Amino acid sequence: NAGVTQTPKFQVLKTGQSMTLQCAQDMNHEYMSWYRQDPGMGLRLIHYSVGAGITDQGEVPNGYNVSRSTTEDFPLRLLSAAPSQTSVYFCASSQNPTSGRWYGSYEQYFGPGTRLTVT
Amino acid sequence: ELKVEQNPLFLSMQEGKNYTIYCNYSTTSDRLYWYRQDPGKSLESLFVLLSNGAVKQEGRLMASLDTKARLSTLHITAAVHDLSATYFCAVAPYSGAGSYQLTFGKGTKLSVIP
Repeated sequence: NAGVTQTPKFQVLKTGQSMTLQCAQDMNHEYMSWYRQDPGMGLRLIHYSVGAGITDQGEVPNGYNVSRSTTEDFPLRLLSAAPSQTSVYFCASSQNPTSGRWYGSYEQYFGPGTRLTVT
Repeated sequence: ELKVEQNPLFLSMQEGKNYTIYCNYSTTSDRLYWYRQDPGKSLESLFVLLSNGAVKQEGRLMASLDTKARLSTLHITAAVHDLSATYFCAVAPYSGAGSYQLTFGKGTKLSVIP
C-alpha cells in the first residue's frame, strides 16, 4: 500500500512552459485535492475532486487545470508557468461521505510533495 | 470566508518547558486537524478533533477543541528537541453534499533549544 504518491519530486520550468504534476493514491479514496505551500502562507487549496469526473475550484485555482478520469489519479496541469507558481505542491486524499453529515474523521493523507521552480 | 489564525507563528522554547499553541477559526467547523511538518517533508497527521470538548493526547502533545469559542489548543509538555517542527492546524466546515475543504493556519515554527 503506497498511499499517496507524487511525481516528480523536483521540477524547474521556464516561464511559459507547461507541465503536469502527477498524483496517485491506492486507498480507493473518493476525495482528492491539490494544495500549494508558500513560505509564511500555510497550505492553500488549488482544486479538489469528490470522485471520478467531478472537480471544483479551491482558493487559488488560476493558472491550473485538473481532471479526474479515474478514482486513483488526479493530475494537476500548469498551462503556462509563471514565476508566481514557484511553490511546493502537495496532493492529498481522503474518504468522502456518501450523504448527510459527516460521521468519520475523513482524515486527509498527504503525498510527499513536488518542489517546483519557475524561472 | 473561513479564516484560521495560529499564534504564535514562531516559538523558541527550552527543553523541559511547557507551552501552548493556539488556533482560532472564524466560522462553525465540523472538525479540526493538527499536522506536523519537518523541513523539506510532507505533513504528518497528529490529531483529529471532532466535537466540542474533545481532547486527545499523544506523548508530550495534547490537543483540545472548544467549538463555542472556536478555539483549539496544542499543548506541549516538557519539550524535547525532537518536537522541533512546524505545526499546522486546519479546519473543515461542512460545505455541501459530498465535499469539504481544509483551510490551514499559517503554521507555528517550533524550535526546542537544549
